[in-house]
Amino acid sequence: QVQLVESGGGVVQPGRSLRLSCAATGFSFSNHGMHWVRQAPGKGLEWVAVAWSGINRQDYADSVKGRFTISRDNSKNTVFLEMNSLGADDTAVYYCARDYAFSLDLWGQGTLVTVSS
Amino acid sequence: EIALTQSPATLSLSPGERATLSCRTSQSVGTSLSWYQHKPGQAPRLLIYDASNRATGIPARFSGSGSGTDFTLTISSLEPEDFVVYYCQHRNNWLWTFGQGTKVEIK
Repeated sequence: QVQLVESGGGVVQPGRSLRLSCAATGFSFSNHGMHWVRQAPGKGLEWVAVAWSGINRQDYADSVKGRFTISRDNSKNTVFLEMNSLGADDTAVYYCARDYAFSLDLWGQGTLVTVSS
Repeated sequence: EIALTQSPATLSLSPGERATLSCRTSQSVGTSLSWYQHKPGQAPRLLIYDASNRATGIPARFSGSGSGTDFTLTISSLEPEDFVVYYCQHRNNWLWTFGQGTKVEIK
């Protein structure tokens, strides 16, 4: 079954860190770029980061650059998002998504991150 | 950075009516624009890529058009499940940007 399943969300205190995972099944993971996109409560979709396949390149939104790190393990078909120095503005549902011609053609169900003391 | 502006913010229509959603970009993007549907509590779904190409499994009532700075998503005859939120998206200089969304609601 072709799918993405996120995990690792939860409640975290401001200033702390959290690591999200996204496991891919049913397709050639190593052939695709992988993204993280988030949606804060009551807000729209916000792109966060992408990890490319085949080249060692990652790109980030300005809002997370220097605090978040995206990585991937092709042997485990998994993409990660390491989030540091979390603030209230990072509270959101985090989705991972597969790249297709610079569109995002497959999405997970999301994992909720709540930053609160 | 290219900005995407969707209009209207909310579109009130009845089932069976035609929906026309607009996305304008602050600079020309050729045909590099995608549309997504997002139902509450579900994963977003790619509808249209490269301005006018329907993604796999997307019903024919969804169509996309436009180039340059003006793009349109058309739903030819609204089904009950279509009353949700739609986003446009563009990639420029390794940054992905979404519009703010259009909510299609039942009139």
